[in-house]
Amino acid sequence: DTGVSQDPRHKITKRGQNVTFRCDPISEHNRLYWYRQTLGQGPEFLTYFQNEAQLEKSRLLSDRFSAERPKGSFSTLEIQRTEQGDSAMYLCASSSLVGIANYGYTFGSGTRLTVV
Amino acid sequence: AQKVTQAQTEISVVEKEDVTLDCVYETRDTTYYLFWYKQPPSGELVFLIRRNSFDEQNEISGRYSWNFQKSTSSFNFTITASQVVDSAVYFCALRTTSGTYKYIFGTGTRLKVLA
Repeated sequence: DTGVSQDPRHKITKRGQNVTFRCDPISEHNRLYWYRQTLGQGPEFLTYFQNEAQLEKSRLLSDRFSAERPKGSFSTLEIQRTEQGDSAMYLCASSSLVGIANYGYTFGSGTRLTVV
Repeated sequence: AQKVTQAQTEISVVEKEDVTLDCVYETRDTTYYLFWYKQPPSGELVFLIRRNSFDEQNEISGRYSWNFQKSTSSFNFTITASQVVDSAVYFCALRTTSGTYKYIFGTGTRLKVLA
């Protein structure tokens, strides 16, 4: 169990560029979550996968955002035409069905995006 | 609507002092979970405790203790004899017991423990 891995740890991009982040959950976890955390705020829910199915999306996830989890393994979060307001820490978390009831999620260390 | 309020934005204490972090929540659900997470500078959210709405027993784990009072919708966290390593941002969170199991986080309290 190597925990939840996120790549890259930091990303600086110019406004208008596309960026993609990757999350590798704990291997036996079928639930995967993306959260966004802006400076001075708590994490906010973006989207949730159970296996490969995306079951819920927040209204925060505008049409410039897309998330995938092919084959129910790793997940990617893509932001198209980035804006300065997209600058934030993007956190991924995973859990098993049993684990989430008892322990909650395991979070990754996040990807910090800076849009200049 | 569900909401978590952490009114203390930042707290500074001197090492060995006790400190209490406040958390007030709002929910219409009769069954829910409350959590505390620690976020050190590395950014990872570290699980500290989970409490379900049926269990109002206070809990102690080493220097950490939690006081859950359903009557006041509060779930406060106390660190006894604080240490420099306790310096971090602490988040209180509310979570549903079914469906998506998504969290509603508070805005966090930054704790600075000075040597």
